[in-house]
Amino acid sequence: NAGVTQTPKFRILKIGQSMTLQCTQDMNHNYMYWYRQDPGMGLKLIYYSVGAGITDKGEVPNGYNVSRSTTEDFPLRLELAAPSQTSVYFCASSHDRPPYEQYFGPGTRLTVT
Amino acid sequence: AQSVAQPEDQVNVAEGNPLTVKCTYSVSGNPYLFWYVQYPNRGLQFLLKYITGDNLVKGSYGFEAEFNKSQTSFHLKKPSALVSDSALYFCAVRDGAGANNLFFGTGTRLTVIP
Repeated sequence: NAGVTQTPKFRILKIGQSMTLQCTQDMNHNYMYWYRQDPGMGLKLIYYSVGAGITDKGEVPNGYNVSRSTTEDFPLRLELAAPSQTSVYFCASSHDRPPYEQYFGPGTRLTVT
Repeated sequence: AQSVAQPEDQVNVAEGNPLTVKCTYSVSGNPYLFWYVQYPNRGLQFLLKYITGDNLVKGSYGFEAEFNKSQTSFHLKKPSALVSDSALYFCAVRDGAGANNLFFGTGTRLTVIP
């Protein structure tokens, strides 16, 4: 009963490097989301997807890209990492019908130095 | 535009006492409201939701929340706090215009004192 899984758990990047955060869900949810969590700021939506092949920007998309080639996977790509992208990243998924609660992965803690 | 406010960054309560974590919201249309809990170094866990119906919603681990439309509030409550309830609590409201996007409050850290 895996739910939403994320890899890696921790990562340190140098400024300008790139990386992909992986997210997989096994609940057959159409909707998937990427959030970042900064101290005292709650969660901010980066990108979301309503199904394979469909993605859209959230509140804070700059510096990130996503793709959704399958229902299960929703990777988040960081290009040219910057210190401002130091954060904890959470992937989530949900059904596309009520009651809509989202299920979260354990998170990836990213530090850019 | 949708928004959520959690006016208290920190709530301290003695073990065995009732607890309340406050949340107010602003949304166009009917609100879908949620409470999540986050334990250290973990993802968010769903606690309870209000979609429609009774204003008092019961959820996991003995928590409940009271929806008050006139005050646009959705406060989280528990009759008797446990030390294990110590965690970070987030209130969220669904963006009805979008897919299923949630707007989160900034979180309230609950500390239950033995």
